[in-house]
Amino acid sequence: AQSVSQHNHHVILSEAASLELGCNYSYGGTVNLFWYVQYPGQHLQLLLKYFSGDPLVKGIKGFEAEFIKSKFSFNLRKPSVQWSDTAEYFCAVRRSQGNLIFGKGTKLSVKP
Amino acid sequence: ETGVTQSPTHLIKTRGQQVTLRCSSQSGHNTVSWYQQALGQGPQFIFQYYREEENGRGNFPPRFSGLQFPNYSSELNVNALELDDSALYLCASRFLGANYGYTFGSGTRLTVV
Repeated sequence: AQSVSQHNHHVILSEAASLELGCNYSYGGTVNLFWYVQYPGQHLQLLLKYFSGDPLVKGIKGFEAEFIKSKFSFNLRKPSVQWSDTAEYFCAVRRSQGNLIFGKGTKLSVKP
Repeated sequence: ETGVTQSPTHLIKTRGQQVTLRCSSQSGHNTVSWYQQALGQGPQFIFQYYREEENGRGNFPPRFSGLQFPNYSSELNVNALELDDSALYLCASRFLGANYGYTFGSGTRLTVV
């Protein structure tokens, strides 16, 4: 069965530190890839998505992700985190016009 | 601010009861999906509706059912509630065929006691 793995359950960083959250998926065909963020008490918001083209995708709030097809990975990065980035981050995969399959999420805590 | 609204925001039900959760999709979105997010987990796909027909279903029993209406609203119905049904239920909508992500609602927190 198709699955999405997020390697870190909880990441704790100080402000200005760099961030990289890992995401790997198991499906070998054509996929669309997404990162969503869920701030405390709020709805899921789309950070960025990859459908095709340049594998380095830039999203909102300074986030970016790189699709590496050979590694089935779509890692999320940010050069310098802020306290306001404290949230839960979800990687998701979609095949063709199908549904989203989410990872279990990574909680990010940024210390001021 | 999301274009998808869900009601109610919180709900407490007793085991064995039935519940209906509602979602108003973003205008023009012809596809709506429902997800269950248990505590500490990522959202799990329940089913998807396209033009009022179910066109995809996850690993959920038949007591989870849904409806989509022409006015972009939809419902999730759960019969014979079990304690494990306690979760955040998310509605997400999009325009099928377009290359952008789903828009999610804020969810309904269901507690089964």
